[in-house]
Amino acid sequence: DAGVTQSPTHLIKTRGQQVTLRCSPKSGHDTVSWYQQALGQGPQFIFQYYEEEERQRGNFPDRFSGHQFPNYSSELNVNALLLGDSALYLCASSSDTYEQYFGPGTRLTVT
Amino acid sequence: GQNIDQPTEMTATEGAIVQINCTYQTSGFNGLFWYQQHAGEAPTFLSYNVLDGLEEKGRFSSFLSRSKGYSYLLLKELQMKDSASYLCAVRDEGDNAGKSTFGDGTTLTVKP
Repeated sequence: DAGVTQSPTHLIKTRGQQVTLRCSPKSGHDTVSWYQQALGQGPQFIFQYYEEEERQRGNFPDRFSGHQFPNYSSELNVNALLLGDSALYLCASSSDTYEQYFGPGTRLTVT
Repeated sequence: GQNIDQPTEMTATEGAIVQINCTYQTSGFNGLFWYQQHAGEAPTFLSYNVLDGLEEKGRFSSFLSRSKGYSYLLLKELQMKDSASYLCAVRDEGDNAGKSTFGDGTTLTVKP
């Protein structure tokens, strides 16, 4: 049983560009949450998707948007990249229980 | 909103016991998580407390006092592989139950 997978593993972008990160949830999970983790800090909640809709959102600007597909996989899009967007982006999946399973993350570097 | 505090760093000796504390001030509460995160890896789930008291799971135990806004993670018989960051996270309630707010983590170093 595959766990949560994310792609790509690493990504380097230039300021002002746009990026799309992808996540496939653990089998049987229908809810996907996205987190941003800066170096030396805890993960910060970006948003959560359930039934293809954004259910909750953290304190992130509209430059951060997402999507969930019928197969429960999800994308995180970030427009107009800033240097401060450099971080590890984590995807976590869950079902009707409290336990979240995290993917390995995508390391985004903005230069 | 949520505010979560935990020590930045701790050091302990192999074979010993260590307690990592977490305090929180929240506008809503629906449970507290502890995660372990090794450098460069994703967080892995350790425990979840929603009622007051101690939950034991092998070498790891977690305690919660909701009235005090306090939790701790207890690690027994420390091993070198326990060197990692330990993250405390609080789950929101109601319509925000899907949202977890994390502390910045406690980096534990286990020495021989």
